[in-house]
Amino acid sequence: DQQVKQNSPSLSVQEGRISILNCDYTNSMFDYFLWYKKYPAEGPTFLISISSIKDKNEDGRFTVFLNKSAKHLSLHIVPSQPGDSAVYFCAAAIYSGTYKYIFGTGTRLKVLA
Amino acid sequence: DGGITQSPKYLFRKEGQNVTLSCEQNLNHDAMYWYRQDPGQGLRLIYYSQIVNDFQKGDIAEGYSVSREKKESFPLTVTSAQKNPTAFYLCASRDSGSGNTIYFGEGSWLTVV
Repeated sequence: DQQVKQNSPSLSVQEGRISILNCDYTNSMFDYFLWYKKYPAEGPTFLISISSIKDKNEDGRFTVFLNKSAKHLSLHIVPSQPGDSAVYFCAAAIYSGTYKYIFGTGTRLKVLA
Repeated sequence: DGGITQSPKYLFRKEGQNVTLSCEQNLNHDAMYWYRQDPGQGLRLIYYSQIVNDFQKGDIAEGYSVSREKKESFPLTVTSAQKNPTAFYLCASRDSGSGNTIYFGEGSWLTVV
């Protein structure tokens, strides 16, 4: 039972355009949602997060949108740069004594120069 | 330099042997986590710990064991009972007092030969 899903395994975008990465979840008890960027054989790097009580959070070129009724969140990267090429994971945090984090399967983003 | 240090980066193990992966953090974080990533897959939670001398099983704890004798250390032992131990292992930590973001180490590659 996968509680966090990233249904697009890969995405290609032209440099300078917008990249939109999507994530769906099933558990309405998640408190926070996070996005991480990962290169092969390295640990994930935190990008941006959003509380379940918000619908938008912005940090530079990165914006995360949360639609609670649809149980859907998305990460927008504008403008996309070749250095953004990596695998992006969304994660959801649920509290049960401490926060437990459930990750999606990732989306490989390729930004074409 | 503050951070999360995992060692070794690469490890080879013969079938039937136990192996311990080290994770040390000097961030004074309370909570620590172990995840496993298989090729083309997401991160799956093995074990997590909120405080010293306390830890909980994650979604795929079978064949693994942990200890949390010190705040800064959370070693993971991959036992011979783990059927498919070859994977990329990631340790993470979180400051439970000031945020809901987990930060990752650089990972350890374990290959069973």
